[in-house]
Amino acid sequence: RKEVEQDPGPFNVPEGATVAFNCTYSNSASQSFFWYRQDCRKEPKLLMSVYSSGNEDGRFTAQLNRASQYISLLIRDSKLSDSATYLCVVNPTGGFKTIFGAGTRLFVKA
Amino acid sequence: DTEVTQTPKHLVMGMTNKKSLKCEQHMGHRAMYWYKQKAKKPPELMFVYSYEKLSINESVPSRFSPECPNSSLLNLHLHALQPEDSALYLCASSQEGDRGTGELFFGEGSRLTVL
Repeated sequence: RKEVEQDPGPFNVPEGATVAFNCTYSNSASQSFFWYRQDCRKEPKLLMSVYSSGNEDGRFTAQLNRASQYISLLIRDSKLSDSATYLCVVNPTGGFKTIFGAGTRLFVKA
Repeated sequence: DTEVTQTPKHLVMGMTNKKSLKCEQHMGHRAMYWYKQKAKKPPELMFVYSYEKLSINESVPSRFSPECPNSSLLNLHLHALQPEDSALYLCASSQEGDRGTGELFFGEGSRLTVL
C-alpha cells in the first residue's frame, strides 16, 4: 500500500460544478496534512493546510478524518482557473520527509 | 511571485559537462530542500539541509552534489549526468530548522535536459 494515495483522475467538470478529491494515508501517526496545487510546468504551491476541525478558505474546504485516515478537498463553484493538479501531502513523523501523493488532475471546462 | 529563486530556469547539458543549479531564499527559513520531478509524477525528495548542514540524502547518486554555502543559498552541482536525469529540479524551503511540517515554499524550478 502506498503511503499516500490519490485518485489520479482526471476529473472533467463544467464551470460552476462542485468537485471533491479524497486522499488516504497509511501512517496513523501522521501529524500534518496539506493540499498543494500545481499548474502545468509550474512549481507546487501550498493551497491549504488541513486541520482536524476542518477548514475553509473561500470556495475550498479541507477535512481530515483521522479514524479512517483520509483527507478531502472540496471545491465549490469551480472556475476555469482551478484547472490544475492537486497534490495531497502528508508529514508522517514531523521530520523533513514529506510524502506527496501522485496528484489528481482537474480540468474545468466552460 | 515566488520568494524562492532558482537559476537557471532551463539548462541543457551533455553527459560529460559540469554545471550547477542555484537556489536562493530570503525568508529566513532554516531548512532547504532539493526535489526532482519527472513529468506527471510527484516531487521526489533528494536532499535536505537543516541549519546549513546536510540532514537527509535520499540515496542520491554521487553525480549530484549538494552544497549549502550559507543559510540563504543552496546549490546542486551536476557532473556526468545521464539522460534519465532529465527532469524539473525544484528547490524548496521551510521555516523550521529542527523539524519539518510540510509547509514548503518552492522555487519555479530548473528544467534540466541531459543529452
